[in-house]
Amino acid sequence: DIQMTQSPSTLSASVGDRVTITCRASQTISNWLAWYQQKPGKAPKLLIYKASSLESGVPSRFSGSGSGTEFTLTISSLQPDDFATYHCQHYNSYPWTFGQGTKVEIK
Amino acid sequence: QVQLVESGGGVVQPGRSLRLSCAASEFTFSRYAMHWVRQAPGKGLEWLAVISYDGSNKYDADSVKGRFTISRDNSKNTLYLQMNSLRSEDTAVYYCARDGAYSSSWYGPYYGLDVWGQGTTVTVSS
Repeated sequence: DIQMTQSPSTLSASVGDRVTITCRASQTISNWLAWYQQKPGKAPKLLIYKASSLESGVPSRFSGSGSGTEFTLTISSLQPDDFATYHCQHYNSYPWTFGQGTKVEIK
Repeated sequence: QVQLVESGGGVVQPGRSLRLSCAASEFTFSRYAMHWVRQAPGKGLEWLAVISYDGSNKYDADSVKGRFTISRDNSKNTLYLQMNSLRSEDTAVYYCARDGAYSSSWYGPYYGLDVWGQGTTVTVSS
């Protein structure tokens, strides 16, 4: 199975900061990677698919990049609504797996 | 609007069974692969199982293989997860989710999980 490793596990940042989260796959997954945002008590929400494609309705301050085994999610200017946990997930082949999550906290 | 609503969660003793349901509305359910994902308290997301749009193909994670069975009834727009031999480590919020690729082959391309239910809580405890 493909393992997904996110870093950092927790990130403290301020409103307006540029934030970058990294996700590494244990083997190449081309660009079959998604990013999700999850707030406490809520279901995850798809932000990015195919590594860099922005899901409809998602603000343009979110962007994704990478291919192969290294991927990043960037929030260009952190907004109050962005404090949440972010998860990466590969969908190169079954079984799909998620990273352990990155919690973005208020500094 | 496009919606998934899970039901069937609750408190169950170890070794017992439970069946979760996921009712879909406002989209052509029979044309999308569907998934189950769970999240244990304070933990990350764990992908569990997938079923193809027509029900002819399924895949389970090793952690639930042989105990959990995914199924669907396209005439009722409903996805199911039959959970047998439940263990304390199965305690979690269970989500159903849609793969956004319309009528995609079992072998892809996939899209990602673009629609999620609100989740149903399963607690396994004596």
